[in-house]
Order: sequence, then structure tokens, then C-alpha cells
Amino acid sequence: DAGVIQSPRHEVTEMGQEVTLRCKPISGHNSLFWYRQTMMRGLELLIYFNNNVPIDDSGMPEDRFSAKMPNASFSTLKIQPSEPRDSAVYFCASSSGLATYNEQFFGPGTRLTVL
Amino acid sequence: AQSVTQPDIHITVSEGASLELRCNYSYGATPYLFWYVQSPGQGLQLLLKYFSGDTLVQGIKGFEAEFKRSQSSFNLRKPSVHWSDAAEYFCAVDHSSGSARQLTFGSGTQLTVLP
Repeated sequence: DAGVIQSPRHEVTEMGQEVTLRCKPISGHNSLFWYRQTMMRGLELLIYFNNNVPIDDSGMPEDRFSAKMPNASFSTLKIQPSEPRDSAVYFCASSSGLATYNEQFFGPGTRLTVL
Repeated sequence: AQSVTQPDIHITVSEGASLELRCNYSYGATPYLFWYVQSPGQGLQLLLKYFSGDTLVQGIKGFEAEFKRSQSSFNLRKPSVHWSDAAEYFCAVDHSSGSARQLTFGSGTQLTVLP
């Protein structure tokens, strides 16, 4: 089992550039979550999908952030334009459902640095 | 509002010593509680979870946690720490409702293990 795959692992970009983070959930999982981790705010849930449909995006900080899940095996988180305060580690997690007892499996994260 | 407090930012113990990491939560209903571990450069891994029943929960890697409703606590323990346990530990509470999923994390406790 490959686990949740995220790419890239590290991204350095300049302010104003578009950034796209990618996630491949565990095969068979139908729920996908995007989190952001910063020193100041800790781990925050940004958005989650169930069966490829966004369920709750209330954690998305601004309109500059968008997420898509075109199919069951792929999701993207896009920031356009990026700003230095977006620097963080972004985690993707997947689970076999939205019920509380469905464990979320986390990917290794993408460390984003915006200069 | 739901919240999770981990009062210890950093704990240092010697290898072989016992460990207790504190977690307090604020939540009106019966909480679903979790402990995750994050090794450097890695995603979060679930150590254990409490939903109901026996208040002493066993997890992986020799960890256990005890739910104490009267103290609103869910402390993580291990009788003998190994050097490989050095990592950051996160307590989390799930306060989902229906299909709305919400997992709130504490700020984390960094564990250093001395040889």
C-alpha cells in the first residue's frame, strides 16, 4: 500500500506566482481532506471532499485558495496569487468515509515557501 | 467553541523513563478523541482513539491513553520511552455533526528523548 502521495514535497516560489499542490489518496478511499500546518495556527482543516464533491470549504482562508477533485484518485490545491503568509506545510489525508470512526491517513506533506 | 489544549510545548525524557503527555479538551457532547504522532518530515500517524466504552485505550507502539470526563482530559502515556519515540504528538477532538466533519487539533507537544 503506497499510502497517500503528495507532490511536490517541497516548493519554493515567489510572491504572486501560482502554486499547485497535488494529492493522490489511498485507493478505495472516498473522502479527502486538505490541512495546513503553521507555527502560529497549528493544524487547520481547509476543505474536504466526499465522493469527489466538496463538502465543506469554510476553512479555506481566501479566494486565492481553490481545490478540486476531478476524480477519485487525484486532488489539487491551488493558490493564485501566492503570498509569503501562505508559507506552511500542506497535508492531504484520505479516509474510507466521513464517519468519525474512519481513520484519516495523512500524506507526508508539501512544504511551501513563498518568498 | 470546541478546543484542545496541550499545555506542554516541549518535554524531555531519558530513554527508558515513563512518559505522560497532557491533553485537555473543551466540548459539550461526548467527545471522540485521538492522539497522533508526527515524525520529522512525515505526516501524522494515528496512535489511538477513544469513542466510548473502556476509558483506558491501548494504541500502537506501546502507547495508551486514559479518558477522564471529570477532568476533561485524555492524557497519553507510555511506561518506557524508546529513542525512536522522539517526535511531535498531537491530541485531537472530533466534533463532527452529520456529514459535517471537523477535527480540531491541539498545538502539539515536542518530545525529546535523551540517551
